[in-house]
Amino acid sequence: EAGVTQFPSHSVIEKGQTVTLRCDPISGHDNLYWYRRVMGKEIKFLLHFVKESKQDESGMPNNRFLAERTGGTYSTLKVQPAELEDSGVYFCASSHPGGGKRYFGPGTRLTVT
Amino acid sequence: GENVEQHPSTLSVQEGDSAVIKCTYSDSASNYFPWYKQELGKGPQLIIDIRSNVGEKKDQRIAVTLNKTAKHFSLHITETQPEDSAVYFCAVGDSGNTPLVFGKGTRLSVIA
Repeated sequence: EAGVTQFPSHSVIEKGQTVTLRCDPISGHDNLYWYRRVMGKEIKFLLHFVKESKQDESGMPNNRFLAERTGGTYSTLKVQPAELEDSGVYFCASSHPGGGKRYFGPGTRLTVT
Repeated sequence: GENVEQHPSTLSVQEGDSAVIKCTYSDSASNYFPWYKQELGKGPQLIIDIRSNVGEKKDQRIAVTLNKTAKHFSLHITETQPEDSAVYFCAVGDSGNTPLVFGKGTRLSVIA
């Protein structure tokens, strides 16, 4: 079974630019989560999809962040315009429809200069 | 909301010794407690988890203990090896699909 994949692995952009991160969950996993870890701090929740619906987006920092999951398969997280404080590692995780174990992808390291 | 505290933030042990990492949580309704290991350049990998209907779970050299009354749980690694060196995160949630709340992580270094 393939794991959670994320693209790109690294992204370096300038302040004010736009970046789109992609996550492909494990096949059959209805639950998809986005998390972020900033500079050695804890892994913080951003939002949760169940299939294509946003179940919980309470962790999204502001309206510069837009997540989508069209068709309930892969998801994208767009940051527009990027700010310096958006730098960090963005992780995606997925789990079975009934919940339980969450499996993480390798992350995308975003650096905003 | 849930608050998770993890200690210590760094831990160094000699190869072959044991390592213990502790976490406390605040929401008594939480009932799912996974531990993740993150190696350099990789994502967090689930290494063991426990649900609130059991007090202890073991998997080879790794064990997790849970005290629901005191709202704390611990990761125990015995006979540590250099490849155990990584950052370990505890997390708290429910056995459904609500988002996990993570501790700040413990950087474990196993010295050969």
